[in-house]
Amino acid sequence: EVQVLESGGGLVQPGGSLRLSCAASGFTFSNYGMSWVRQAPGKGLEWVSAIDGTGRTTYYADYVKGRLTISRDNSKNTLYLEMNSLRAEDTAVYYCVKDYSSGHQFDCWGQGALVTVSS
Amino acid sequence: DIQMTQSPSTLSASVGDRVTITCRASQSISSWLAWYQQKPGKAPKLLIYKASALETGVPSRFSGGVSGTEFTLTISSLQPDDFATYYCQQYHSYPLTFGGGTKVEIK
Repeated sequence: EVQVLESGGGLVQPGGSLRLSCAASGFTFSNYGMSWVRQAPGKGLEWVSAIDGTGRTTYYADYVKGRLTISRDNSKNTLYLEMNSLRAEDTAVYYCVKDYSSGHQFDCWGQGALVTVSS
Repeated sequence: DIQMTQSPSTLSASVGDRVTITCRASQSISSWLAWYQQKPGKAPKLLIYKASALETGVPSRFSGGVSGTEFTLTISSLQPDDFATYYCQQYHSYPLTFGGGTKVEIK
C-alpha cells in the first residue's frame, strides 16, 4: 500500500526552528517528486514546496523562500522540511504529498503534522 | 503566479441534486487541473486529474470538464458521502496553486 507518514510537528516559539519528516512506503520513492502542502486552521490548501525525485531540483512558494528548505534522502525513503524563522502565520497542518505518475497532482497524502507557532 | 478562482465558496444542496463547482484560471493551464475532496479532520483525496480523468476508485457520478480557462466539477446525483469541501489545483507551472475551496452543505 502506498503510504506517507509525517512526524516532527509541535509547538515552537516565533523565530524558532522545526524539522518535519515524512516516511514513504509502498512505492519506489526516488521515482517520484514530492511536495509539502499546508492548511492553516479553518483555511484552504496552500502549496509550500516541491522536490524532484533526484533531490537536485527544488521549488518554493514566495512566502517561504529563504526560511524553509525541502530535502530528501532516497536511501531512507524520507522527505524533510526544515523550517526556520517561524512566524505565527506558519501555523498550519503540513501535509506530505506524492506526485502522480504523470504530473504534479497529488495521489497520496499523509495524515498531516500540526505546527503551531506561538509564544 | 497563476490564480485559481473557485466558486461558489459554499453550496447548499440535497441528496440527489446535480451540483457543479467552477474553477477559473488566470491564464491558460491547458488541462493541467486536478480536483480534490476533503472531509473535516482528514487529508484531501484526489478525485479528478487532467481536467476530466477520473482517479481509480472514484465513483462515476463525479466528472470534470473544461472550456478554455474555466473548469467544472460536476456531481450528477449528490450522495450523503459527498458532503465535503472541494478544491481545484493547477499543476501547469510552479508555484502550484489551489482554488479557495467550495463547501458542499446539506440543504
